[in-house]
Amino acid sequence: DTGVSQNPRHKITKRGQNVTFRCDPISEHNRLYWYRQTLGQGPEFLTYFQNEAQLEKSRLLSDRFSAERPKGSFSTLEIQRTEQGDSAMYLCASRTSEETQYFGPGTRLLVL
Amino acid sequence: QKEVEQNSGPLSVPEGAIASLNCTYSDRGSQSFFWYRQYSGKSPELIMFIYSNGDKEDGRFTAQLNKASQYVSLLIRDSQPSDSATYLCAVNRANTGGFKTIFGAGTRLFVKA
Repeated sequence: DTGVSQNPRHKITKRGQNVTFRCDPISEHNRLYWYRQTLGQGPEFLTYFQNEAQLEKSRLLSDRFSAERPKGSFSTLEIQRTEQGDSAMYLCASRTSEETQYFGPGTRLLVL
Repeated sequence: QKEVEQNSGPLSVPEGAIASLNCTYSDRGSQSFFWYRQYSGKSPELIMFIYSNGDKEDGRFTAQLNKASQYVSLLIRDSQPSDSATYLCAVNRANTGGFKTIFGAGTRLFVKA
C-alpha cells in the first residue's frame, strides 16, 4: 500500500453513462497525475495537477474527460457519455517535488 | 518511433538465473529513469530509479544507464518465480511545472521454477 487510494476499484457501466473516479493522494504530495492503461500497454499520461492547478492535459483526452483537484487535495476524473473504448484501468499517482511517484491501486472501468 | 521502447517478451528464465531487461528512449532531454514492476491486475510498483550513467544496485536488482546510447537496463539476479511480472521502463522529462513520465509498454518476465 503506497498511501494513494482510489475509488471505486471497479466500475461497470453502460455506454453513454457518466462515471466519476476519485483519487486521494499521499497527504504531503502536491503533484497528482492521472494515467490510463489498456491491456499490453504501459500507463499513458492523461493529466497533471500541481496543487489545485491543472498544468497539462494530454491530447488523448477528449472533451468528454474532465478532471479537478479542488483545494489541492483529492482529485476526481469524470468521463461523460462513456464509450466502449474508454474501458481501461485508470491510475492515479502522486509525488512531492522529488521525481519518484507512487501509484494508487487503480480503478478498472468496463463499458458495456 | 515510440519515445520509450521495450521488448514485449515474454522473457523466460529458469529460477536462479539472471534476467536482463532492456529499454531504449528517444528524447535526449530525459533526465531520470525508472523501473516499475506490475503484477497482473495490479498497479505499477517502483523497483528502482537511476539518474546518472553507470550502475546502481539494490539487493538483487541492478539498474544500468548509458545516456550516450540512450539505453537503460535492469538485471535481476537469482530470479525467483515471484519475480514473474511485467516490468515497465519509464523516463522523466521536464515539462510545464515539473516532470512528465513516459512509460514503455513493458516486458513480461516469466521465471520457471
